[in-house]
Amino acid sequence: ETGVTQTPRHLVMGMTNKKSLKCEQHLGHNAMYWYKQSAKKPLELMFVYSLEERVENNSVPSRFSPECPNSSHLFLHLHTLQPEDSALYLCASSQGHFLEGTDTQYFGPGTRLTVL
Amino acid sequence: SQKIEQNSEALNIQEGKTATLTCNYTNYSPAYLQWYRQDPGRGPVFLLLIRENEKEKRKERLKVTFDTTLKQSLFHITASQPADSATYLCALDVIDSNYQLIWGAGTKLIIKP
Repeated sequence: ETGVTQTPRHLVMGMTNKKSLKCEQHLGHNAMYWYKQSAKKPLELMFVYSLEERVENNSVPSRFSPECPNSSHLFLHLHTLQPEDSALYLCASSQGHFLEGTDTQYFGPGTRLTVL
Repeated sequence: SQKIEQNSEALNIQEGKTATLTCNYTNYSPAYLQWYRQDPGRGPVFLLLIRENEKEKRKERLKVTFDTTLKQSLFHITASQPADSATYLCALDVIDSNYQLIWGAGTKLIIKP
């Protein structure tokens, strides 16, 4: 399998559930990202990992917990979410050439999350 | 405040015509700008990157311009086709942001046969 994959593609959960989103990249990239996308709003960057180290955390509520066990895998652990957390969650990867300014991002298909 | 603006209204274009999408920004010092395409239920796909010192970039039927004086990028699709229908996102990499692209909300393009 090539590119960036995400599972599950759809997730419905109650506010008291615990679930995890999984992302895997097969591109040999060094950086991985979690984004939240809500309708008609810009992509919201949640977390960035570079070489398995978290380098950005954009004031995301603690009910979202990322994990990057290696450079190919990224998880987003979810617990006690709110209905307003319902959105498309996108994973992306890039080579990590941040200082060169030419980093383009490759996205997975996303997980459509609905919190009841 | 800093922001990027793209037309929130859908753009309807007749097949065969040139579609032009706009990305305006304020209060940024961009290093480069990227355009992505997003289809429903899918993640964005990278199309083109243009640097601050480049005026124009082309790729097949796509053309991007970047005017740092006007703080604007234009994205053109010539000889548009129904398959070009999608949402197009612009993203800015600013000089003082290490890891973040600043994203616009996207413009939905509809090419009518």
